[in-house]
Amino acid sequence: NAGVTQTPKFQVLKTGQSMTLQCAQDMNHEYMSWYRQDPGMGLRLIHYSVGAGITDQGEVPNGYNVSRSTTEDFPLRLLSAAPSQTSVYFCASSYWDRGRRSYGYTFGSGTRLTVV
Amino acid sequence: DQQVKQNSPSLSVQEGRISILNCDYTNSMFDYFLWYKKYPAEGPTFLISISSIKDKNEDGRFTVFLNKSAKHLSLHIVPSQPGDSAVYFCAASGFGNEKLTFGTGTRLTIIP
Repeated sequence: NAGVTQTPKFQVLKTGQSMTLQCAQDMNHEYMSWYRQDPGMGLRLIHYSVGAGITDQGEVPNGYNVSRSTTEDFPLRLLSAAPSQTSVYFCASSYWDRGRRSYGYTFGSGTRLTVV
Repeated sequence: DQQVKQNSPSLSVQEGRISILNCDYTNSMFDYFLWYKKYPAEGPTFLISISSIKDKNEDGRFTVFLNKSAKHLSLHIVPSQPGDSAVYFCAASGFGNEKLTFGTGTRLTIIP
């Protein structure tokens, strides 16, 4: 059981380039999300999806696109990379935990992106 | 507008002593609170949580306390161990809401 798999682990981009960060989960979770972690800022929500074909914006969506064609995959696209997008990106999937009355999250190991 | 705040960026504690990590929130709609632990080059992992209907939840060495009137929660680790050295994030969500709002994190260092 792999959980949440993110690729690549590291990436360096030039300003203006585009790329896609991949995220796949094998737990059949309906909900998936993308966060970015920056020093002194914690984790901030970029985009999320409550199921295949449904996506919505989070706190910091500008410069990013997402799609959810399958339950398993939730790629994050950078349209035209900017130095401000230098960050560590985490993908997460979650399910409704009836015992805890909350969503249980599993995070991927992250993608460290540098835009020069 | 930081709805979840961790005012201490770092904390150092002697091995065997108690570690206390604090978290404040401003959104009274938050119903559920969680603590995540994060090692370098890894994703956050769930540690412990508490519902707003409780004021304390315990799991082994970890206890979370919630003071709703003060909009404050704290994580106690007793006794602290070297493997507890990590960054700890406080997070909150509304009831039935899939979105988490994270604090800025506290780096805990356990001194042997």
